[in-house]
Amino acid sequence: KAGVTQTPRYLIKTRGQQVTLSCSPISGHRSVSWYQQTPGQGLQFLFEYFSETQRNKGNFPGRFSGRQFSNSRSEMNVSTLELGDSALYLCASSLGQQGWKNTIYFGEGSWLTVV
Amino acid sequence: AQKITQTQPGMFVQEKEAVTLDCTYDTSDQSYGLFWYKQPSSGEMIFLIYQGSYDEQNATEGRYSLNFQKARKSANLVISASQLGDSAMYFCAMREGDPITGANSKLTFGKGITLSVRP
Repeated sequence: KAGVTQTPRYLIKTRGQQVTLSCSPISGHRSVSWYQQTPGQGLQFLFEYFSETQRNKGNFPGRFSGRQFSNSRSEMNVSTLELGDSALYLCASSLGQQGWKNTIYFGEGSWLTVV
Repeated sequence: AQKITQTQPGMFVQEKEAVTLDCTYDTSDQSYGLFWYKQPSSGEMIFLIYQGSYDEQNATEGRYSLNFQKARKSANLVISASQLGDSAMYFCAMREGDPITGANSKLTFGKGITLSVRP
């Protein structure tokens, strides 16, 4: 069974640019969540999508957005990049229904460097 | 307010010995879930073990077990027979939200503990 797949793994962007990260969840999983990990702030929740709808949102500015497609694949977009957006972005998938006992699996992450 | 507390900044253990990684949490919910993840330097967050707040028995997964003390709000991870490949960051996380629909659920992570296994 394939795990959570994130692309690209590594990328370097310039301040002011925008970036799109992609996540393919485990087959059958309908919930996809995104997290940002930085040395200073640790792991922070960005948002969760379930059946193409944003179900929960963290405390991030509107420059951070996401979407989910009918096949449960998800993308997150960061516009007008700032140096502080440099981070590891982790995608997580789970069944997402009938309670949250369902295990949450993470991908390998996308390392974003903003210069 | 910090909901997950991992105070051990770095832990060292001899290969083949057992080690306990501490985690305390704070929540007013009756229903919640506790997770432990391992993160090697590659960045991937690897699921290790899960404990539900209503689970009567402590969770076990191979060499991993969770010492769950609900009244003390602690969920310590025990790794038995440490291996060199266990060297990594370990995160404790809690999931709250609606246990029926799964809505409004997210993971809140602790700051992590670095574990180094010595040969």
